[in-house]
Amino acid sequence: AQSVSQHNHHVILSEAASLELGCNYSYGGTVNLFWYVQYPGQHLQLLLKYFSGDPLVKGIKGFEAEFIKSKFSFNLRKPSVQWSDTAEYFCAVNAHSNYQLIWGAGTKLIIKP
Amino acid sequence: NAGVTQTPKFRILKIGQSMTLQCTQDMNHNYMYWYRQDPGMGLKLIYYSVGAGITDKGEVPNGYNVSRSTTEDFPLRLELAAPSQTSVYFCASSTWDRAEQYFGPGTRLTVT
Repeated sequence: AQSVSQHNHHVILSEAASLELGCNYSYGGTVNLFWYVQYPGQHLQLLLKYFSGDPLVKGIKGFEAEFIKSKFSFNLRKPSVQWSDTAEYFCAVNAHSNYQLIWGAGTKLIIKP
Repeated sequence: NAGVTQTPKFRILKIGQSMTLQCTQDMNHNYMYWYRQDPGMGLKLIYYSVGAGITDKGEVPNGYNVSRSTTEDFPLRLELAAPSQTSVYFCASSTWDRAEQYFGPGTRLTVT
């Protein structure tokens, strides 16, 4: 069965620190990849997505992610985090063989001011 | 436009009771989804719909039913509530199955 792993359930950083959240998936075929974010008290919303082309994808609010096919990974990065980045981050994968989005368990990110 | 709206925001049910979680979208999306999220877990798909009159089971459909009589509405029915259905329920919609999904605010359900 397909699965998505997010390595850290909780991450605590200070403002201006660099961020990398890991995401690995288990599917050998063609995939679409997503990062969603849920800010406190708000809806889940799309941060960025990869469908094809340049494996380095830029999203909103200075986030980027790199698709490394050989490692089945789609890690999320931000060079300098802000207090407003405190949120829960979800990685999701859609295999071209079916319609379903498979979700990681999420990473709660807390930024200390 | 309002996007995806869900009601109620919170609900406490007794074991064996029934209820309907409402979901409405005003973006004219064909695809709609119901997910549940348990603590420390990712979202699990309960049911989905590719258009009015068409629904299908997701990964965890047992104990739930859905209908899709209009493009806008996709209610989720719990017939005999069980403690295992305590969760946060999210409704989402999209233009097609691999497009960005737009989420509602969620319904926090407790069954005791």
